[in-house]
Amino acid sequence: DAGVIQSPRHEVTEMGQEVTLRCKPISGHNSLFWYRQTMMRGLELLIYFNNNVPIDDSGMPEDRFSAKMPNASFSTLKIQPSEPRDSAVYFCASRKGHNQPQHFGDGTRLSIL
Amino acid sequence: GESVGLHLPTLSVQEGDNSIINCAYSNSASDYFIWYKQESGKGPQFIIDIRSNMDKRQGQRVTVLLNKTVKHLSLQIAATQPGDSAVYFCAEGGGADGLTFGKGTHLIIQP
Repeated sequence: DAGVIQSPRHEVTEMGQEVTLRCKPISGHNSLFWYRQTMMRGLELLIYFNNNVPIDDSGMPEDRFSAKMPNASFSTLKIQPSEPRDSAVYFCASRKGHNQPQHFGDGTRLSIL
Repeated sequence: GESVGLHLPTLSVQEGDNSIINCAYSNSASDYFIWYKQESGKGPQFIIDIRSNMDKRQGQRVTVLLNKTVKHLSLQIAATQPGDSAVYFCAEGGGADGLTFGKGTHLIIQP
């Protein structure tokens, strides 16, 4: 079975550029989560969707970050404009239902120069 | 146990011994708890979960214990193997929300 698929695996870009991270959740899962992982702050929830609808975006750092889920099989996290402090590993996870384990992709390692 | 800040606590055990990784959680209203294993360059991998109406749950070589009185969670790994070397995270959650993760514990298996 395919797990959560994220692309790209690595992204290096200059500050000021737009960055788009992509996620394909596990088929049949109705919740999708975006996390950011850094050494300083660990794993932090940015935003999550239930049935393609954003439920809580209070973890999104600032207006430069936005996320969409146009359908049940695809989500994007966009940073515009990017800054060096956005450098981190960004994970997407999906879940089948309430109190079910979240399953993570292998992340996108983002470096903003 | 968990820590705050840059430094991950490290637990070093001999191959074949049992490991116990501890975690203190913060929200007494949390009703779902989960342990993840993260290897270098990979995403967190689900190990085992437990709901607040239980105090113990066993899987293959792993046992999770939940003490709601003191808000403590532990993961026991029996007969550790080299492949168990990783960072282990506990996480708490409830309702439809995402998970709140601890900072992680680095488990090192000595040959």
